[in-house]
Amino acid sequence: DQQVKQNSPSLSVQEGRISILNCDYTNSMFDYFLWYKKYPAEGPTFLISISSIKDKNEDGRFTVFLNKSAKHLSLHIVPSQPGDSAVYFCAASAFSGTYKYIFGTGTRLKVLA
Amino acid sequence: DVKVTQSSRYLVKRTGEKVFLECVQDMDHENMFWYRQDPGLGLRLIYFSYDVKMKEKGDIPEGYSVSREKKERFSLILESASTNQTSMYLCASSLTGTGRLQVSQPQHFGDGTRLSIL
Repeated sequence: DQQVKQNSPSLSVQEGRISILNCDYTNSMFDYFLWYKKYPAEGPTFLISISSIKDKNEDGRFTVFLNKSAKHLSLHIVPSQPGDSAVYFCAASAFSGTYKYIFGTGTRLKVLA
Repeated sequence: DVKVTQSSRYLVKRTGEKVFLECVQDMDHENMFWYRQDPGLGLRLIYFSYDVKMKEKGDIPEGYSVSREKKERFSLILESASTNQTSMYLCASSLTGTGRLQVSQPQHFGDGTRLSIL
C-alpha cells in the first residue's frame, strides 16, 4: 500500500521554464511534508518542507504547495536550471511519537539547456 | 554541516554471507535510519533507532538486523545475504525536536552503499 505516490516517473522541462512536480498521499494523519533532491551517486539532500498548518512555503526558486482536501502537494521550481536535473522525492510524516518518513517513488527531472 | 558517512560506496558479497554496513554521523543526532532504494520503489525504511541500543522495525525489516552501541554509529546487518538484497542502501540521521517538532527535523543522508549479492 503506497501511502505517498509520485505518479510521474520523469519530467522534462526547458531551462528557464517552470517545473512542477506532484505528490499525492492517502493518509490524512500526515501533517508534515518534505521534498528531497537526489543526484546520482549521492545521498538525498533536503530541499524544502511544509507543515499541514500552511498551504504554501517558499524558498528562493522553490515553492511547495499543499492542498489538504485533495491530499496533494506540489513542488514548483522557477526558473528551472540545468543543475536542477535530479530525482526528486516527496516524503510525509505523522505526529505519532515516532520519527519516520514515508517516501514516494521519486520523479526524475531533466532540465534541457 | 552534518556529515553522515557510510563505510563503503560499493560492496560485492556472495549469497549466504553475513554482511555489515556501517554508518557514522558527526552531529550528535539521536535518530538514525537505514533505507534501501530500488528503481520504481523509492526509499523504503528497513530499521531506525531513536537512541543508543534502541531500534524499531521499519517497513521491510525481514532479513536484516541493526546495532546501535554508540550514538554516532548505526550498523545494518544482513544475516545471510540473498540476491534480492542487491540494492542501494542509504543511512540517515536526524535530531529529535520537541512536541510537534518531533517529526519536523529533516533527515540527513549519507552517499549510499551500492551492494551487490552474487
